[in-house]
Amino acid sequence: NAGVTQTPKFRVLKTGQSMTLLCAQDMNHEYMYWYRQDPGMGLRLIHYSVGEGTTAKGEVPDGYNVSRLKKQNFLLGLESAAPSQTSVYFCASSTRPPSYGYTFGSGTRLTVV
Amino acid sequence: GQQVMQIPQYQHVQEGEDFTTYCNSSTTLSNIQWYKQRPGGHPVFLIQLVKSGEVKKQKRLTFQFGEAKKNSSLHITATQTTDVGTYFCAEGSSNTGKLIFGQGTTLQVKP
Repeated sequence: NAGVTQTPKFRVLKTGQSMTLLCAQDMNHEYMYWYRQDPGMGLRLIHYSVGEGTTAKGEVPDGYNVSRLKKQNFLLGLESAAPSQTSVYFCASSTRPPSYGYTFGSGTRLTVV
Repeated sequence: GQQVMQIPQYQHVQEGEDFTTYCNSSTTLSNIQWYKQRPGGHPVFLIQLVKSGEVKKQKRLTFQFGEAKKNSSLHITATQTTDVGTYFCAEGSSNTGKLIFGQGTTLQVKP
C-alpha cells in the first residue's frame, strides 16, 4: 500500500532547464494537488485536479504546467526553471469530498542554481 | 482570496507544559483541517472540523471550531518530545476540495 509516491526525491537544475515531477497514487482518489513549501510561507497551492483530464490553477501557478492524463498520475512541469522555484514540492490526493483529509507524498526537494 | 492566519509562528515549551495554536479568518470557513509535519517529513492529516462550536479530542490533542466558524484552535496537554513539528490549519473548499494552508506553528519541546 504505497499511498502517494513522488519522483524524484531530490534534483538540482540549472537556470533555464526543464523537468517534470511525477506524482502517482494508488488509492483511486479523484482529487490531486501540487503544493510548494518555502520557509515561513507554509504550503502554497500551485495547481490541482478534480478528475482525470481536468486541471485548475491554484494560488501560485506561474511558471508551472500540469497534466492529469490518467487518474492515478499528476505531473508537474517546469518549462524554464528559475532560482525562485527552489523549494520543496509536495503532491497530495484526496477523496471527493475530502472528508478524510489529504494524503501527501514524501516530497521533492528541488534546487535551481 | 480567503486566507487563514495562524499564530504563533514558533513556540518553545518545556516537556509537560501545554501548547495552543490558533487559526483565524476574516470570513466564515466552510470547514477546517489540521495537519502535523515532523521535521524533514510531509504533512499528515489530523482532523477535520465542520460544525459551528465543534470540539474533537484525540488523546492529548483538543481541536475546536469557533461558534462563528471564523477561528479554530489546537491544544496539546502535557507536551511530549514526540509532539515536535509544525502544525498547520487549512481552510477547505467543499466543492473543489482544495485546501488553503495557514503559515503553520512550529513547536519545539525541551526535554
